[in-house]
Amino acid sequence: EEQLVESGGSLAQPGESLRLSCAASGFTFSSYAMSWVRQAPGRGLEWVSGISESGDKTDYADSVKGRFTVSRDNSKNALFLEMNSLRAGDTATYFCTCQGLFWGPGTLVTVSS
Amino acid sequence: SFELTQAASVSVSPGQTARITCSADALTNHYVYWYQQKSGQAPVMLIYKDTKRPSGIPERFSGSRSGTTVTLAVTGVRSEDEADYYCQSTGSNDAWVFGGGTKLTVL
Repeated sequence: EEQLVESGGSLAQPGESLRLSCAASGFTFSSYAMSWVRQAPGRGLEWVSGISESGDKTDYADSVKGRFTVSRDNSKNALFLEMNSLRAGDTATYFCTCQGLFWGPGTLVTVSS
Repeated sequence: SFELTQAASVSVSPGQTARITCSADALTNHYVYWYQQKSGQAPVMLIYKDTKRPSGIPERFSGSRSGTTVTLAVTGVRSEDEADYYCQSTGSNDAWVFGGGTKLTVL
């Protein structure tokens, strides 16, 4: 059974950094592009970033471009999101997803002083 | 990038058909995907490429398109269908775009 599990979410102060991880199992991770999607409390879904199967192509929402970096390690079936210069507006539950078909349960990032 | 427009809410009685629409001028050249999200849970894909259902999704969920408007229909609505529904498409540079979401209330 396909499974995605995010980790790394926590409370951070504005300007700090966090690294999110997403562990994949039950499918051939290296064959699929992956994405990060976030959801602020009480708000809708917002796409954050995407990465190609091999990791050679990445895309970002304008709201995080230059601050967030997506990467993957296909040897470890893992997806990452490095988040720098965090802002209050980055407070959200972050989901990793395999092309929208499989989703993790999400990990909560709270940015507050 | 473009915006996807959804009604904020739709209400139907059990057994009726709920229709949730998603529109944007740029939708003509892009496929649309539909997700259901229940409170506190991750989204679930209901429809991909406008009309196709992933494995395990009941037939009472269906997608259609007319020009720049796509519609998710839920026939024979049940109380368990009460959730938020999001449309999603792909804009420039493969960036995903989500609609604002429609809250389906089962009366």
